[in-house]
Amino acid sequence: DAGVIQSPRHEVTEMGQEVTLRCKPISGHNSLFWYRQTMMRGLELLIYFNNNVPIDDSGMPEDRFSAKMPNASFSTLKIQPSEPRDSAVYFCASSPSGAGGITGELFFGEGSRLTVL
Amino acid sequence: GDSVTQMEGPVTLSEEAFLTINCTYTATGYPSLFWYVQYPGEGLQLLLKATKADDKGSNKGFEATYRKETTSFHLEKGSVQVSDSAVYFCALRGSGGFKTIFGAGTRLFVKA
Repeated sequence: DAGVIQSPRHEVTEMGQEVTLRCKPISGHNSLFWYRQTMMRGLELLIYFNNNVPIDDSGMPEDRFSAKMPNASFSTLKIQPSEPRDSAVYFCASSPSGAGGITGELFFGEGSRLTVL
Repeated sequence: GDSVTQMEGPVTLSEEAFLTINCTYTATGYPSLFWYVQYPGEGLQLLLKATKADDKGSNKGFEATYRKETTSFHLEKGSVQVSDSAVYFCALRGSGGFKTIFGAGTRLFVKA
């Protein structure tokens, strides 16, 4: 079975450029999460969706960050314009969920390592 | 708000040594507790979980017991292997919630 698929695995870009990270969740999972991992701040939840609807984006650092989930099988995280402090590993995770929340574990992709020069 | 505190690393052990990684939490109600493991270059994967007080989660020789009286969920393994070298994250999720909150992670090095 395919797991969570993220692309690109590595991205090197220059400050000011637009960056788009992509995620395909596991089929049938109706909750999707974007996390950012850095040495200084650890794992931070940026945003999560339930049934393609953004539920909580309070972790999105600023207006330069945006995320969309146009359908159940695809999500994007966009940074425009990018800055060196955005350098991090960005993880997408998915999970099945019901009206009462998530019942089990998160399934993580392998991450997208972003370097902004 | 809810939070997770785990022991700082790195932890360096010799093969076959006993492992303990401490984890304590702050949460209202009865959260579910998790240990995730991250191998180099990979995403996190679930190692074990416990959903109510006194539950013991176990997997691959690792164990952790949900202790509500001490708000703890310490990870243990009786005999570590070189292949256990990884970063271990303690995590919680409130009952009926969506957010999973992670600790800072503890890096484990196991020497042959």
